[in-house]
Amino acid sequence: GAVVSQHPSRVICKSGTSVKIECRSLDFQATTMFWYRQFPKKSLMLMATSNEGSKATYEQGVEKDKFLINHASLTLSTLTVTSAHPEDSSFYICSARPLADSYEQYFGPGTRLTVT
Amino acid sequence: AQSVTQPDIHITVSEGASLELRCNYSYGATPYLFWYVQSPGQGLQLLLKYFSGDTLVQGIKGFEAEFKRSQSSFNLRKPSVHWSDAAEYFCAVSSDSNYQLIWGAGTKLIIKP
Repeated sequence: GAVVSQHPSRVICKSGTSVKIECRSLDFQATTMFWYRQFPKKSLMLMATSNEGSKATYEQGVEKDKFLINHASLTLSTLTVTSAHPEDSSFYICSARPLADSYEQYFGPGTRLTVT
Repeated sequence: AQSVTQPDIHITVSEGASLELRCNYSYGATPYLFWYVQSPGQGLQLLLKYFSGDTLVQGIKGFEAEFKRSQSSFNLRKPSVHWSDAAEYFCAVSSDSNYQLIWGAGTKLIIKP
């Protein structure tokens, strides 16, 4: 149980285009989903927290207009990188929390974004 | 501010040898502590967690960790590593105000045959 999927696993796009990454909780409902960015040889950086049906809360320094997050249902959250640039190339990871008062998070396998 | 320090960027251990990965945290209250493992192509997997109670916690895959409040540490141990344990290991502490995880920088475990 508690499986989180991400799609796509890898994506290459051209500079200036937008890319959408999907995060799905497959066998549970997620009240909250988190989006992380992981740089090479670095830890995870929390980008934003999204709760179903409400606006995402972005961490300081993360551009909300560039990284659009939509948490349309209790099993799906999407991250859209708009007008992508090479510096947006990174590994993006989502996680889902099944209960509002839980410390448990279940992680997706990540999406490798390369912007050329 | 909360923080997590994993002082070893990478550790090399011979297969069958014992392992200890270090984790120190800075947190004002009682921390909620986690160890995750990240293997290539796979999502972060929870190895074990400490919320309260017994300070020695057992996890999956034969791992254990000991919470030492006096040392602000939560080191991960395994008595005998297997080649399949080669991965990146992350220590994390939870922010109880919003349940977010604060992450250490990770330790890459390399297994020598």
